Order: sequence, then structure tokens, then C-alpha cells
Amino acid sequence: GAVVSQHPSWVICKSGTSVKIECRSLDFQATTMFWYRQFPKQSLMLMATSNEGSKATYEQGVEKDKFLINHASLTLSTLTVTSAHPEDSSFYICSARARGSGYEQFFGPGTRLTVL
Amino acid sequence: QKEVEQNSGPLSVPEGAIASLNCTYSDRGSQSFFWYRQYSGKSPELIMSIYSNGDKEDGRFTAQLNKASQYVSLLIRDSQPSDSATYLCAVTFPFNKFYFGSGTKLNVKP
Repeated sequence: GAVVSQHPSWVICKSGTSVKIECRSLDFQATTMFWYRQFPKQSLMLMATSNEGSKATYEQGVEKDKFLINHASLTLSTLTVTSAHPEDSSFYICSARARGSGYEQFFGPGTRLTVL
Repeated sequence: QKEVEQNSGPLSVPEGAIASLNCTYSDRGSQSFFWYRQYSGKSPELIMSIYSNGDKEDGRFTAQLNKASQYVSLLIRDSQPSDSATYLCAVTFPFNKFYFGSGTKLNVKP
């Protein structure tokens, strides 16, 4: 149980384009989903927290107009990187917390974004 | 500022030995504590969670929590080469956000 999927697993795009990443909880309802970014040899940095049906809460320094997060259902959250630039190249990982569970977060496999 | 500190390592242990990983945190209001394992290029995988002082054992893994000292550790018994990875300590504060340490890289040598 507690499986989280992400799609795509990797993406290469040109500078200035937008990229959408999907995060799905496959066998549970996720009341809260989290989006992280991880640069090489660094730890995970929380970007935003999203609750189903409400606006995402962004961490300080994260541009909400650049990183659009939608949590439309209890099993799906999306992150759209708008007007991507090479410095946005990173490993993006989502996690989900199950309804009624403890505080554990279950992570998706991640999406590696490369912006040329 | 919420801080979670880990020694970056690498920590090298021979196969079959006990690996001891440590983590300290700054906020006494911390509620829950987790250990994740992350292989290179992969996302984190939950190993252990611990909520109250003392030890919690699960197979070869033992998590230890001391809230008075603001310290949480992970012991891996009978270490295997497949345990070689980066181990992330995560701590929750009020509002349920996770704060991750920078991770300790563990190398288990055959």
C-alpha cells in the first residue's frame, strides 16, 4: 500500500516552455501532498504544500506564479513549471500523506527535469 | 529557524557491522521523527518512524529518540552492501511540515 506515482519520470524541454508534472496516490486518498526539489548532492527542499480543494502554501523564496500547483482531487496533484529556465533543472519529487494516517509521507519516484 | 543536523559522512562500515547514524534538531516542539533511505538518483523511501522517547525496532533497524537531548538516531545491525545509501532524517514541526537533514552517506564495504 501507500504507492505514489509521478509522471513523467524525466523530461527535457527548451528554455521558455512550460512543463507539467503529475503526482498520483494510487491506493489511498491523499489529503495533503508536498512538492520538493532536490539539486545534486543536496537534501530535499520543500517547495509547497497542497491540500485537496484549496490553494497551495508555498515556502519562502518559491515563486508561486512560476511553480503552479493544483490539487484537484484526493489522488492527484500537478506541478507546472512555467517558462522554465536552465536553473530550474532539478529532481522534483512529490509526496503524499494519507487520510487518517500518521504524519508519514510517502514519496513518488521523482521527475528529473532538464531545461536546455 | 528550524534546523535538522546530520553528519554528511561518508560513514564507512564493514559488512556485518553496526552502522550508527545520528540526527539533532533545534525545535523542542518537534512532534514526529522519521528516517528515510535514498539511493542515488532515486526518491526517499521510508524506513522508520518514531514518536515517543526510547527505542523502536524493526528488523535490522532500530530508531532511538531522546527528546530531552533533541537527538534521534538510527542503528543498522548486520549492515549489508545493499544498505549503502544516503539516510535522511526528517522532523515534523507544528503544521505537519517535514524538515529534512542534509543526509548521511553510508558505505558498507564487502
